[in-house]
Formats: sequence, structure tokens, C-alpha cells
Amino acid sequence: GIQVEQSPPDLILQEGANSTLRCNFSDSVNNLQWFHQNPWGQLINLFYIPSGTKQNGRLSATTVATERYSLLYISSSQTTDSGVYFCAVVVRPVNTDKLIFGTGTRLQVFP
Amino acid sequence: KAGVTQTPRYLIKTRGQQVTLSCSPISGHRSVSWYQQTPGQGLQFLFEYFSETQRNKGNFPGRFSGRQFSNSRSEMNVSTLELGDSALYLCASSFQGPNTGELFFGEGSRLTVL
Repeated sequence: GIQVEQSPPDLILQEGANSTLRCNFSDSVNNLQWFHQNPWGQLINLFYIPSGTKQNGRLSATTVATERYSLLYISSSQTTDSGVYFCAVVVRPVNTDKLIFGTGTRLQVFP
Repeated sequence: KAGVTQTPRYLIKTRGQQVTLSCSPISGHRSVSWYQQTPGQGLQFLFEYFSETQRNKGNFPGRFSGRQFSNSRSEMNVSTLELGDSALYLCASSFQGPNTGELFFGEGSRLTVL
């Protein structure tokens, strides 16, 4: 089956720093999403980004589907950015509707 | 617009018992999918329902089952609970399914099996 790997597994930053999280996937995908899991366990949808680049405030994401990777950029990090970031993909061909999650990146932002 | 609602949020059961978890999707969303999260296995897909039909199922034993009602609300059931079933169970709602759009998750149901 498809492998979805994220790096780095852990990241510790001071407030104000920038960071880049990476998601590599081993097969062609129809869908890619980034989520932030807060300390209470809820997964918050950040981006739906099967290809291209999107930005939302301090966060932006880029997916290069042909090279099978996606990047999540966090600029001017804040303590509220702490948590675990997951990418998740739906593998081609269509009609699987099965979201496969990556291994996650645990981010800790200190004041 | 109300988000995805999961109940109960926390529950404790003993081995051999069964449990039923509920998920109410965002209004207008017809797809509900379920995921299990454990420290060892990460986030794993359980099953997905669309218009009361199970479209996909993950690699879980038959003790894990689910259903969806005509109002799109979904329930999942785990019978004969084992210690390894202790996990956070997350439900996700989407308009047409994970393949074609964004997923929105509930806060989860945290199950502890003693």
C-alpha cells in the first residue's frame, strides 16, 4: 500500500520562528489535506491541496503531485501552533474514498 | 453552521463489553468516515458511509461495525471489547466523500478499555 511519511517527526521552535513540514507519498494521489491536531485531540482542517499552492494567513502549503510531496510552511510561529500536523491522502484510482494519514510532525513552540 | 458532533466524548468500558459511538455530520454532508487513533498505530481508517451505504472499509476485524441513518448521522459499534481497542475514535464529515473534498472532524470519542 501507499506510504505517507512526514518529516521531521519532532520540531521545537521559539515563538516567531519559521518552519517547513514535509509530506512524501509513494503513489499517485487524488486528494491531499493537511490537518492540525490540537492538544484536545481534534483534527482541524488546514488545507485541501491536491496540487498547487495555497495560503491562509501565516500558513501556506504547496503540493507537487508529479514529484509526490507536499510542504506546509508556518511563518512567525505562535505557541498556539503547537500540536501535531498530519498530511492525509486519497490514493488513485478514484472511488477508494479512504484517507491515508501520514506519520505526523509534532511541533512545540515555546515563548 | 454547526460542526461535527461526536458523543460520548469520553467513556470507560471493561473487556468483553460493547460500545456504540455516535457522529452527527455537518448539515448537508452525506459522507461520514471513521478513524481510530492509537499511539502505536497512528490514525487508521475504519469505514466510510455515504447515503446509508458503506462504501469502503479498513482492515479491522468484524467486531467493528457501523451504520448510517437517513439523516446522515452515523454510529459505530465495537463488540467484545479488547484492551487494544482503547483509542481516540474520530469521525469526519464531507459533502461527497474524502476523495473529492475537504474533511471536517469532530472532537472525537476517547475510549478506555479496562
